[in-house]
Amino acid sequence: RKEVEQDPGPFNVPEGATVAFNCTYSNSASQSFFWYRQDCRKEPKLLMSVYSSGNEDGRFTAQLNRASQYISLLIRDSKLSDSATYLCVVNPLDFGNEKLTFGTGTRLTIIP
Amino acid sequence: DVKVTQSSRYLVKRTGEKVFLECVQDMDHENMFWYRQDPGLGLRLIYFSYDVKMKEKGDIPEGYSVSREKKERFSLILESASTNQTSMYLCASSRLSGYTFGSGTRLTVV
Repeated sequence: RKEVEQDPGPFNVPEGATVAFNCTYSNSASQSFFWYRQDCRKEPKLLMSVYSSGNEDGRFTAQLNRASQYISLLIRDSKLSDSATYLCVVNPLDFGNEKLTFGTGTRLTIIP
Repeated sequence: DVKVTQSSRYLVKRTGEKVFLECVQDMDHENMFWYRQDPGLGLRLIYFSYDVKMKEKGDIPEGYSVSREKKERFSLILESASTNQTSMYLCASSRLSGYTFGSGTRLTVV
């Protein structure tokens, strides 16, 4: 089983729609969770951290379910500029507190 | 604005060559990482370092080595490049949660 699993997509979603991605992780001791965004031919960039209580940043909402070991990302009122690959990232605490494990990403395309 | 700079955006090297990929960060971060990214496989950790002159193997260290003589610089070395090392190489640094990545080096080994 992969440490971090994501549906690779692609998700093709009309502009203005709501879209949600899930990601599962295998290490129940994991402590830190993140969503990164990667545009085509660019480096990944931190989108948001994911906290146990859930967190929201504008149109983006991230949630963590420790019991089921999954995290989610919800994008409301999607924009064309949201088209990207979204990477689910987990800190498995194998080495200190900074070694991150990346999912393979979910590709999202917003359609005009 | 914080920065991680990778010395080359694109590189083409011949099989058997020794290849150096350089990464410099200006954020005074202790932690630095080298990943490679391949379609369908995502980002895989090659090596990382928590301090000067310190290095730890990641998930796929075979065929690679690293050097960290100064805090701001973390170099990835391909001792004898092979075609299966054709990939996008990403350097990152961090102190607390979250990485800052360089813009990547796309290496082609022919």
